[in-house]
Amino acid sequence: EAGVTQSPTHLIKTRGQQATLRCSPISGHTSVYWYQQALGLGLQFLLWYDEGEERNRGNFPPRFSGRQFPNYSSELNVNALLLGDSALYLCASSSLDTDTQDFGPGTRLTVL
Amino acid sequence: QQQVKQSPQSLIVQKGGISIINCAYENTAFDYFPWYQQFPGKGPALLIAIRPDVSEKKEGRFTISFNKSAKQFSLHIMDSQPGDSATYFCAATMTSGGSNYKLTFGKGTLLTVNP
Repeated sequence: EAGVTQSPTHLIKTRGQQATLRCSPISGHTSVYWYQQALGLGLQFLLWYDEGEERNRGNFPPRFSGRQFPNYSSELNVNALLLGDSALYLCASSSLDTDTQDFGPGTRLTVL
Repeated sequence: QQQVKQSPQSLIVQKGGISIINCAYENTAFDYFPWYQQFPGKGPALLIAIRPDVSEKKEGRFTISFNKSAKQFSLHIMDSQPGDSATYFCAATMTSGGSNYKLTFGKGTLLTVNP
C-alpha cells in the first residue's frame, strides 16, 4: 500500500511570492491534514479537509489556504510569503476506519 | 495555550538502557494518544497509541503507560538501541463519530542512544 505522498520535496521562494504544496493521501483515506513544523515551534496544526470541505483550521492567518479535490488529494497555498514561513510542511491522511493519521515525508519550504 | 506538555526536551541513554519520555495533557476531551517517531528529513511515523480505557499498552520494546486521573502518559523504550535515536512526539486528539480531529503535539524529545 502506497503511503502519503507530497510534492515537491523542496521548494525555494522569495518573500512576497506564493507557494503551492501538494499531497496525495493513502488510497481509501478521505481526510487530509496539514501541519507546519518550524524550527523550535514543533508540529502545529494548519488545516483539516474531509470530503472536499474545510473542517477546521489552526491559528494561522488567511494567507494559508487550501483545498481538497474530488480524488481526495489536497493542495496547500501560502500567499505573500514571509521569511518566517520557512518550515517543513507535513500532510497526513486518515479514514473513518482508522484512529491514526499517517504522515507524508513533507515539503521543505525555504523563503529567501 | 500548550495543551500537551512533553519532557524531557532531550535524552541520552546507553545502548540496552530504558528511555522514558513523559507527557501531560489538559483537555479531558482527548480520547486518543499516539506517539510518533521522526528521523531527520522524514515525516513522523506512528509508533504506538493508546486510549484512556487502558492503563498500559505494549508493542515489542515500546510501552505506553497511561494515568487518566493525573492526565499523564509516558513512553518507555526498553533495551534502547542506537537505531532508536530520533525525535519522539506525543500527541493527543479527539475521535468522535469516526472522525479523527487535529492532533495536538508535544514539543518533542530528541533521543540519542549511545553504542
